[in-house]
Amino acid sequence: SQTIHQWPATLVQPVGSPLSLECTVEGTSNPNLYWYRQAAGRGLQLLFYSVGIGQISSEVPQNLSASRPQDRQFILSSKKLLLSDSGFYLCAWSGTISSGNTIYFGEGSWLTVV
Amino acid sequence: ILNVEQSPQSLHVQEGDSTNFTCSFPSSNFYALHWYRWETAKSPEALFVMTLNGDEKKKGRISATLNTKEGYSYLYIKGSQPEDSATYLCAFMDSSYKLIFGSGTRLLVRP
Repeated sequence: SQTIHQWPATLVQPVGSPLSLECTVEGTSNPNLYWYRQAAGRGLQLLFYSVGIGQISSEVPQNLSASRPQDRQFILSSKKLLLSDSGFYLCAWSGTISSGNTIYFGEGSWLTVV
Repeated sequence: ILNVEQSPQSLHVQEGDSTNFTCSFPSSNFYALHWYRWETAKSPEALFVMTLNGDEKKKGRISATLNTKEGYSYLYIKGSQPEDSATYLCAFMDSSYKLIFGSGTRLLVRP
């Protein structure tokens, strides 16, 4: 069966420090991968998505970046965090319509920038 | 810019009431429409994935319909229960697999 894990679950980082959130998927190949953020009082904002290794689409201009070094690994990074980067980050994956196309989410990562 | 809109933003109903929400999405480049039940700071729980115009899906007291030509989907809850209280999200997936969520409808069911 397929599983998705993201870590760390909670993170408190000072302004200006770097960030790395990691997400891995097991039990499937060539998944579509997504990073979302829920800022305080808002819905889920799409940050990045990827349909294959090295293929990253960025939705919102900001100081975050994403990489997909392996088929089932998706990393969200920042060189210098801002206070506004605080929020709840969710990684997700989906297959194709023939596999049901359901979106599966990771457990989430709480980031507090202080 | 893809725009996925949900209405109402929030809804308070009495236990036993039936209710429905609307999701509006672009009618071009449609691939799939998803509905999720979500409690803040948790992973969303999948309810339905719909791909065909005219699709109707049902799961217990919850059902959904899809109109891809006019770009809307309805989610219905029959006989609401307090445990149905949550935010209901719809998400539009286009042909490039971009998945955009609406801002959600927050449902509160009073006992």
